[in-house]
Amino acid sequence: LAKTTQPISMDSYEGQEVNITCSHNNIATNDYITWYQQFPSQGPRFIIQGYKTKVTNEVASLFIPADRKSSTLSLPRVSLSDTAVYYCLVGDGGYSGNTPLVFGKGTRLSVIA
Amino acid sequence: DAGVIQSPRHEVTEMGQEVTLRCKPISGHNSLFWYRQTMMRGLELLIYFNNNVPIDDSGMPEDRFSAKMPNASFSTLKIQPSEPRDSAVYFCASSSSLYQETQYFGPGTRLLVL
Repeated sequence: LAKTTQPISMDSYEGQEVNITCSHNNIATNDYITWYQQFPSQGPRFIIQGYKTKVTNEVASLFIPADRKSSTLSLPRVSLSDTAVYYCLVGDGGYSGNTPLVFGKGTRLSVIA
Repeated sequence: DAGVIQSPRHEVTEMGQEVTLRCKPISGHNSLFWYRQTMMRGLELLIYFNNNVPIDDSGMPEDRFSAKMPNASFSTLKIQPSEPRDSAVYFCASSSSLYQETQYFGPGTRLLVL
C-alpha cells in the first residue's frame, strides 16, 4: 500500500498560486493519484485525479513527473474560501484487493487576506 | 441527486447506550464506505462494502462496532455499547465502483458520548 507524505500545513496570501507537493515513493503501477479537499464541518470533496503528466480542471492542476514518485497540486490564485485541508491519496481504489484510498493527515492550507 | 444522506446529523448519548448511524448512498453507486474522523487520528476507514457485501472490516476498532448493508440504498453503523472515546464525526461515502472512482461523502454524523 503506497504511503504518502505531505506537509502538515501551509500559509498563503490571497491571489497567490499555491503548490502542495505529495511524496509517494512506493506507488504501484495500477495506482492513481487523487486529491480531496475538506472544509470544516464537511466531508472531503474530490478535487482532481491523475495517473501521469498533467491534469487540469476548473479547480486545480495536478503535475506528476515521469517517475510518479511525487505529485504537486496547484491551486491558482487562491482566495479565503480555499482555506481547507487537502489530502493526497494513492491507490487503485480497492480493485486489486488492497484497501481503497487511504486518507492521511492532509495539508492544512490557510489563506490570509 | 440529493447526494449521500446521513442521519442523524448530531447525536449525544450516554456511555453504554446503543448508537445507530444511518446512510443512504447515491442511487446507482455500488460501493459504500464508513469513516471516522477525530483530531488525533484523522480520517480512518472503518469498513467498506461492494454490491452490499462487506469487503474489509479491518478498520473497525473493536467488536462493539458493527455495520450492515441490507440493500443497495441503505447502510447502518452500530456501536453497542458506546464509550466516550467513540466520540467523533462519522462519515459515509459512496462511489460507483471500487476502481479509482471518486468517493462522494455525506455531511457526517457528529457523535458525542458522555
